[in-house]
Amino acid sequence: QQQVKQSPQSLIVQKGGISIINCAYENTAFDYFPWYQQFPGKGPALLIAIRPDVSEKKEGRFTISFNKSAKQFSLHIMDSQPGDSATYFCAASTMIRGSTLGRLYFGRGTQLTVWP
Amino acid sequence: GAGVSQSPSNKVTEKGKDVELRCDPISGHTALYWYRQSLGQGLEFLIYFQGNSAPDKSGLPSDRFSAERTGGSVSTLTIQRTQQEDSAVYLCASSLDSGTGNGYTFGSGTRLTVV
Repeated sequence: QQQVKQSPQSLIVQKGGISIINCAYENTAFDYFPWYQQFPGKGPALLIAIRPDVSEKKEGRFTISFNKSAKQFSLHIMDSQPGDSATYFCAASTMIRGSTLGRLYFGRGTQLTVWP
Repeated sequence: GAGVSQSPSNKVTEKGKDVELRCDPISGHTALYWYRQSLGQGLEFLIYFQGNSAPDKSGLPSDRFSAERTGGSVSTLTIQRTQQEDSAVYLCASSLDSGTGNGYTFGSGTRLTVV
């Protein structure tokens, strides 16, 4: 059973465009939602993360939008660049005792290609 | 060390042989996780160590898989009697016991090929 569902599986965007990746979850106990970026031959690296007490978090060109009632969250990459071409994974977890990061449940990933 | 170190980076083994994969987490990180990533697939959870607590082994796919963490630091994932379907990249990650600022830090993985 897939705890976190991610779409699309692949995405092609023109340089300068906006890339949008969506994720949905069912477990209302989840309270930590990170996005990871993975380049070929490397392990995933934390890109940005959000807690459910806010609806949006922005770091540079990367923004997470979070909709608690719909149990959905998305990653927006503004002004997409060829260097952003990578696989992106959303994930969700339940914080243990409010401070300890538990097991992460990952989406299946989105292969993003940004054409120059 | 500065990051999570995994060894070997690549391993080719014959079907039926046992393999050991090693993970050196970031110093001071109390939690350690193993995930498996098959070609074009997401990250499949295998096992999770948190401090002195009993490990969460719920993701291990069969009794051929086992893992241990010695002294709260280095971890070894052992696969006995390897099968071709075990071919994948095995990723290790570690995190601090508290705070979410850095989430998990992953190693670069061990690419296992069973022939």
